[in-house]
Amino acid sequence: AQKITQTQPGMFVQEKEAVTLDCTYDTSDQSYGLFWYKQPSSGEMIFLIYQGSYDEQNATEGRYSLNFQKARKSANLVISASQLGDSAMYFCAMREGDTDKLIFGTGTRLQVFP
Amino acid sequence: GAVVSQHPSWVICKSGTSVKIECRSLDFQATTMFWYRQFPKQSLMLMATSNEGSKATYEQGVEKDKFLINHASLTLSTLTVTSAHPEDSSFYICSARDSGRKVSDQPQHFGDGTRLSIL
Repeated sequence: AQKITQTQPGMFVQEKEAVTLDCTYDTSDQSYGLFWYKQPSSGEMIFLIYQGSYDEQNATEGRYSLNFQKARKSANLVISASQLGDSAMYFCAMREGDTDKLIFGTGTRLQVFP
Repeated sequence: GAVVSQHPSWVICKSGTSVKIECRSLDFQATTMFWYRQFPKQSLMLMATSNEGSKATYEQGVEKDKFLINHASLTLSTLTVTSAHPEDSSFYICSARDSGRKVSDQPQHFGDGTRLSIL
C-alpha cells in the first residue's frame, strides 16, 4: 500500500493566487513527521516545511503553510501569493517513528503562469 | 544553515566504468546518510542507508555489489557504481541530518544530486 499519496500529477496556478497541493499518508505509528520538498528542474531538493505528528499548530514558513488534518491523515501544502519561481516539482515525504528514513510521494508538478 | 555537498554533479562515462559519487556534510556531523535514485519524472527511491563506521543497509532489490557504499567519516559518504551499464543511468542524490540534534528537530538536507549517464 502507498504510504504517501499525492493525487495531483500536475497543477496550474496564476501568479499571486494561492494553491493547495494534496498529500495523504498512511502509518500506524503515533510518532511521525511530514515534510514538503521542492525540486526545480535543476534537480536539487529544497526543504520547505515540516509538521510533527504531535504538533498542535499547523506549520507555517513564510508563504508556505501545511494544512495538517491528523484524523484524515492529510498534510496539504498551501502556497500563498504564487510566484513564477514556484514552478517546480513538489514532493511530500514522511518519516516514521524516530528513524531518519524518508518515504516520498510521487510528486506534483506545479506550473505558475503570469 | 546546514549544507550537504555532492560531487560530481554530472558524469558521462563508458559502459563498464566504475563511478564514485561523494556526499559531504559541510557544517555538521552525520552518523547516517541516505542515497536515493530518481528516474526522469519519477519520485525519489531510497537505495541504502549509509552508516558511519559500519556496513550500509540496503533496501530490497538494490544490489550491494553494484552499489558500494562507504561512510568512513562523520562528514563523508561515497557511493560507487561498479561496472556501470546504461541501465544505471539515473539521477543519484544523497541526504544527511545533523546527528547532534534530535530527529524531530530538523529535516534531511539534500545534496544537489549527480546525473549519471552511461554510454
